[in-house]
Parts: sequence; C-alpha cells; structure tokens
Amino acid sequence: DTEVTQTPKHLVMGMTNKKSLKCEQHMGHRAMYWYKQKAKKPPELMFVYSYEKLSINESVPSRFSPECPNSSLLNLHLHALQPEDSALYLCASSQPWYDSNQPQHFGDGTRLSIL
Amino acid sequence: KQEVTQIPAALSVPEGENLVLNCSFTDSAIYNLQWFRQDPGKGLTSLLLIQSSQREQTSGRLNASLDKSSGRSTLYIAASQPGDSATYLCAVRPHYSGAGSYQLTFGKGTKLSVIP
Repeated sequence: DTEVTQTPKHLVMGMTNKKSLKCEQHMGHRAMYWYKQKAKKPPELMFVYSYEKLSINESVPSRFSPECPNSSLLNLHLHALQPEDSALYLCASSQPWYDSNQPQHFGDGTRLSIL
Repeated sequence: KQEVTQIPAALSVPEGENLVLNCSFTDSAIYNLQWFRQDPGKGLTSLLLIQSSQREQTSGRLNASLDKSSGRSTLYIAASQPGDSATYLCAVRPHYSGAGSYQLTFGKGTKLSVIP
C-alpha cells in the first residue's frame, strides 16, 4: 500500500471542464510535488511546495493551478486542458531540501484523459 | 545540465538469473542517487537510495552500487523472479542547497521482463 494517496485514479474530461486532482500524505513530509508522466517517458517535474509555499514552478501552463491547503494535502486544479495534457499525474512527498538524503515517496497517480 | 542514461532500454531474462541494470550520469556533483521501480500504470516505488558518500546499499535481493567519480551506478538483482518484471528508473539529486535540490533528474528507465 502506498503512503501517498491520490484521487481519482482515473479522470476523463472535456477541454472545457474544470476538475481537480487530490493528493494526501500522512508521513509528516513538508515537501510535496506534482509530476507529469507520458507513456514510456520518465516523470517531468511540474511544481514543488515546501512548507506549503510554492518553491518551484517549471514553466507550467496556467491551465494547471496547484494549491497546498495544509502540510498533508496537495491539489492540482485543471481548466481548459488540451488533448496533449493526457498523461499520468503523479504526486510525491519528501522531507525538506535540507534533509535531502531521504527518498521521495510517490502515489499511484491519476490517469487523465482529455477528450 | 545533468543527463542520466540507462542501458539497456529493455532486458528479458529467464527466471532465476542474476542481472545488472546500469545508470550513468554526466555531472558527478550529486547529493544522492535513487533507484525506483514502476509497474505499468502505477506510481514509482522507491527501492534504494545511495548517498554520495556511500559505495553501495542492499535490500533483500537488490544491491545498488555507486561510483560517483566515474558517474555510474548499477542495480544488481539476484535470483530474478517473474514478479520483478517492471520498469526500473534511476534518478540523481543535485548537490544544491535550497529549492534546487528538489529537482531529480531521471533516466528513461530499463524495462525488465523475467520469463517463467
């Protein structure tokens, strides 16, 4: 069983819809991440939150909007997505950067399909 | 810019065989290297993390080594089983302070098939 929980597991949405992906961890980690993974490719970092503040935004289009309401929760709000945004979206968590010799822990992801 | 390469891209072995997966990186200024396993349609499972000051780490049938100066790591799997079939990814963490240290650089992975 994964210690990082993502919901939903699958999501199909139209290009005009608004939806949100959710991620939760209870390991006391203070850094949380969103990655995008296309088929047969490694994960690509999108956003990093450290102590609930956005630390890294890898030039992600504004149709993706992250939110970190508290230290255990991470959301990714989606609006007006494009077909090329179809991918596996992975959430991860870890200790903060100054405790970097701890692994990142990943959830099982949300499989997103844009019609 | 750090680049991570994994060879081979795919590997098929009979059950019971010992095998080695390779990972190389271009910039030796790393904080650590992590090996992950990914099953189809699933997230990444952390297998082993080797700190830059370490030479190897072991967990059960898995042994990972690190030669930072030559930019290489290997993942050794002993007595392979069909359940080991998955994609194995290595990722390096840069030796930065601050937010930059969060950015792992991943290899493209080796897809392992263990044939019963």
